[in-house]
Amino acid sequence: EADIYQTPRYLVIGTGKKITLECSQTMGHDKMYWYQQDPGMELHLIHYSYGVNSTEKGDLSSESTVSRIRTEHFPLTLESARPSHTSQYLCASSDMQNYGYTFGSGTRLTVV
Amino acid sequence: GENVEQHPSTLSVQEGDSAVIKCTYSDSASNYFPWYKQELGKGPQLIIDIRSNVGEKKDQRIAVTLNKTAKHFSLHITETQPEDSAVYFCAASRIWGGADGLTFGKGTHLIIQP
Repeated sequence: EADIYQTPRYLVIGTGKKITLECSQTMGHDKMYWYQQDPGMELHLIHYSYGVNSTEKGDLSSESTVSRIRTEHFPLTLESARPSHTSQYLCASSDMQNYGYTFGSGTRLTVV
Repeated sequence: GENVEQHPSTLSVQEGDSAVIKCTYSDSASNYFPWYKQELGKGPQLIIDIRSNVGEKKDQRIAVTLNKTAKHFSLHITETQPEDSAVYFCAASRIWGGADGLTFGKGTHLIIQP
């Protein structure tokens, strides 16, 4: 039973639109992450957070931004979507004891 | 930064046989090596992990081995079953649990033939 939720599950949107991908977890985890998964299944870290008011950029350059105002919520925003943003976006969280990541089921984004 | 290489990209085995997936990493400071299983339409799920001061860890039919000198680690699945079919990812990080972000391999599609 997943305790980390991503919405929407699928999204098709036009070029230039602003979108926010939602991620919420009910486990009280302090650390949260966003990964981009390309069609070949490779996972790339784009953003992470150690806790409230903490955000860091990951290894993959991304035009997206994130915020962490509440422990349980870590939304990702694209100000102006482009076809190159078409991908699956996976959110994950982990706790202070660091027992590995719990991933959400992902948002599959298509920009047309 | 860390670079993780994973082989093979696709592995097909007969049900009941063993499967081995291998990974190498580049950062000698890496200390944490988890393995994730991703089924169709779902996010990756942690199946086993190992830290650098341990050479081997087992959990029922799965085991992970680590050779820190050679900077490689492997996943072993014995007595494979149809439900083992999935994409498997290895990963590495400097911090236990991957607090600063995990670097993943490119994944292995494991196919269990009936």
